[in-house]
Amino acid sequence: DQQVKQNSPSLSVQEGRISILNCDYTNSMFDYFLWYKKYPAEGPTFLISISSIKDKNEDGRFTVFLNKSAKHLSLHIVPSQPGDSAVYFCAASTNTNAGKSTFGDGTTLTVKP
Amino acid sequence: NAGVTQTPKFRVLKTGQSMTLLCAQDMNHEYMYWYRQDPGMGLRLIHYSVGEGTTAKGEVPDGYNVSRLKKQNFLLGLESAAPSQTSVYFCASTDRTNQPQHFGDGTRLSIL
Repeated sequence: DQQVKQNSPSLSVQEGRISILNCDYTNSMFDYFLWYKKYPAEGPTFLISISSIKDKNEDGRFTVFLNKSAKHLSLHIVPSQPGDSAVYFCAASTNTNAGKSTFGDGTTLTVKP
Repeated sequence: NAGVTQTPKFRVLKTGQSMTLLCAQDMNHEYMYWYRQDPGMGLRLIHYSVGEGTTAKGEVPDGYNVSRLKKQNFLLGLESAAPSQTSVYFCASTDRTNQPQHFGDGTRLSIL
């Protein structure tokens, strides 16, 4: 049973427009959510996170929204830039599991110039 | 500051051979993790460690062993490699729960 799901394997947007990446989870014990960005031949790098006590967190062009009742989070990138083209992983963890995170399968974002 | 360094970056093995992947971090992190990533899939946890001298099984531990003799190093071993273990392996570390993990750049392993 996959506890973290990213149902869109890929997304293509035009430069300057908004990119919205979605993630659903099933484990109600998750209390911390993260987004990682991964370029080819590199390891994932942390992008933005949100605690379950919040419903929104912003960092520059990146905003993460959390809807706990729906067990859904989304990452908004505004405006999208060609350098944002990468694989984005959603991850979730709890405060009691040795720092372990459960990852989604990733969404490949392509931003076209 | 190197962060998390994985050695080697690439390796080709024959079925039945053994090898060890090395992960080193210079951030004094307590927690370390080994993941594998297969095409179209996310990161799956193989083994992890919550401190020097400790190890624990993750989601997909079969066929792998690990050791954490020093706080900064986390070794992943394949005793008898199988084609199903062809994957990209990532090591990560963090200093406490509910914090981002820092990843190495991966080891691409092919088993023929």
